Order: sequence, then structure tokens, then C-alpha cells
Amino acid sequence: QVQMVESGGGVVQPGGSLRLSCVTSAFTFNTYDMHWVRQAPGKGLEWVALMRYDATRPSYADSVKGRFTISRDNSKNTLFLQMNSLRDDDTAVYYCARGTHFFSSWGQGTLVTVSS
Amino acid sequence: QSALTQPASVSGSPGQSIAISCAGTSSDVGGYDSVAWYQQHPGKAPKLVIYDVTKRPSGVPDRFSGSKSVNTASLTISGLQAEDEADYYCSSFRGSSTWVFGGGTKLTVL
Repeated sequence: QVQMVESGGGVVQPGGSLRLSCVTSAFTFNTYDMHWVRQAPGKGLEWVALMRYDATRPSYADSVKGRFTISRDNSKNTLFLQMNSLRDDDTAVYYCARGTHFFSSWGQGTLVTVSS
Repeated sequence: QSALTQPASVSGSPGQSIAISCAGTSSDVGGYDSVAWYQQHPGKAPKLVIYDVTKRPSGVPDRFSGSKSVNTASLTISGLQAEDEADYYCSSFRGSSTWVFGGGTKLTVL
């Protein structure tokens, strides 16, 4: 069964940094595009970033461009999200998700809280 | 980047059918056959229920169906069941390797 487990969330001050990880198993990681999707408390889903299966051509939502960096290590079946210059409105549960034009599988999410 | 437009809430009685709309533009919903729908129960991760506008993943009941007309997609749930009560989100590819979600619809089974 496909598994995706996020970690690295926590409480950080505005302007701070965090690095999220998503460890995957039970599927051929290096053949799937991977995404980060977030959900602010009580709000809807927001697509954040894409990394292609071959670790090329990252893409970002305008709201995080220049502050967040998506990467992956195909040898370790792991997806990452480096988040810098964090703002209050980055507070959310961050999910990793698998897929090309849709998100077929999701992790359970990790909560990031930006607060002073 | 504006979100797709969904009604905030819909409701129906067990056994009835409901439809949730997802309005976009020719740059997203209308421009690609890449609309998907997700079901999210409280405190849980989203679950894919429809992809590529009309296709159902394995394990999703055939009570769930999708359609699209011009710039608006729709999710229809027939034979409503109590366990269908959840939040539902549409998504669409938007070109340039970006995606957009709808604001979400809360389905209440009366």
C-alpha cells in the first residue's frame, strides 16, 4: 500500500525557516511527479509546488515563489520542501501528494505554525 | 491566482442526488481535461474521487460521477449516504505547471 509520511513541521517565528520531508514507500518514487499542497486552519486546499519525477523543472505557486524550494532525493524516495522567510499566512497543514495532472495519493500532513 | 468557484455548502437527504459545481475559466477548467475532485473528512487527508473530469479511481463507488461543460465542472453524488458527508474540493491544471483548487464545498447529509 502506498505510504507517504510527512515530517518537519513545528512552530517557527516570522522570518524563520523550516525544512519539510516526505518519506514514501510501496511505489516507484522516481516515476512519479510529486507536489506539496497546503491547507490553512479551517480553509481550503492550496497547491504549493511541483517537482517532476526526474528532479527537474520545479514549479511554484506565486504565493511562495522565491521563498520556498522543492527538491527530491530519488535514491531515498523522499521529497523535501525548504521554506524560508516564513510569514503568518504560511501557517497550514502541509501535505505531500503524488501525481501528474491530479493528486492520486496524499500523506497525512504536517502542521507548520508561524507565530511570534 | 484566483481559486475556482464552488458553493460553500450543499445538502441532501439519504438516497437523494446532489451536484457540486466548480466554475473556472478557459485558462484552467475549460482549457484542459484535468479536473479532479477530492473528498475530505474532518481531520483527514483529502481522497481522490474523480480525475480527468469523469474517471473514477478503483474503489470509489459508481455513485460518484463527474462532468464538464465549457468552463464549469460538476461532481454528482447519487444515492446519498451518511458517509458521504464531507468537504469536497475540485482542482484543475492551469498551464505552466501550476494547479488551482476550488474553495471547497461542505456536503451535509440531512
